[in-house]
Amino acid sequence: TQLLEQSPQFLSIQEGENLTVYCNSSSVFSSLQWYRQEPGEGPVLLVTVVTGGEVKKLKRLTFQFGDARKDSSLHITAAQPGDTGLYLCAGGRGGTSYGKLTFGQGTILTVHP
Amino acid sequence: DAGVIQSPRHEVTEMGQEVTLRCKPISGHDYLFWYRQTMMRGLELLIYFNNNVPIDDSGMPEDRFSAKMPNASFSTLKIQPSEPRDSAVYFCASRYGQGLNNQPQHFGDGTRLSIL
Repeated sequence: TQLLEQSPQFLSIQEGENLTVYCNSSSVFSSLQWYRQEPGEGPVLLVTVVTGGEVKKLKRLTFQFGDARKDSSLHITAAQPGDTGLYLCAGGRGGTSYGKLTFGQGTILTVHP
Repeated sequence: DAGVIQSPRHEVTEMGQEVTLRCKPISGHDYLFWYRQTMMRGLELLIYFNNNVPIDDSGMPEDRFSAKMPNASFSTLKIQPSEPRDSAVYFCASRYGQGLNNQPQHFGDGTRLSIL
């Protein structure tokens, strides 16, 4: 089983603070995606990383794919209440697993004003 | 553009009843996924289809669950008979599968199912 472990599970911070969410696995993934989910809605893609060591930035969000493509991190600078939500990492593989994603358990982020 | 459309949004029924969840994927997408989300177990893949053919149903909990995709624009997930432990939010997602295996999955807003 290709598990993706996310940490922390819960994060409660004040507006303006920085935070990092981690996504780790013992398996190699061909791609790693990060999704954000708000209450009553489905997950929405934030970013896809495919190359080991790749770093992508989306405004105040920075995503990194590990060199060995087994782990990833999401860093948010100066968090805002609008960042509140469930963050999910998801790994994709080829071969017989082509097409499907393995999702982590998620990190529930609450940013207080 | 219309996204993935799921119905109903909410379903409350008594245990033992048959439940049918419906999904209309995004036009042109050739992969369709059914997920179940709970606080305890997170987002679990139940089954997925490629070009209307089931590819992997290893996540389907037991024989009470079945899924069909009669055509490219419609899929159903059926639970018969339903049990209280089936209570969860069920999501349908679709994606375009050609090219690299990093196309995003587009999720519907889910069906919140409560079995009493």
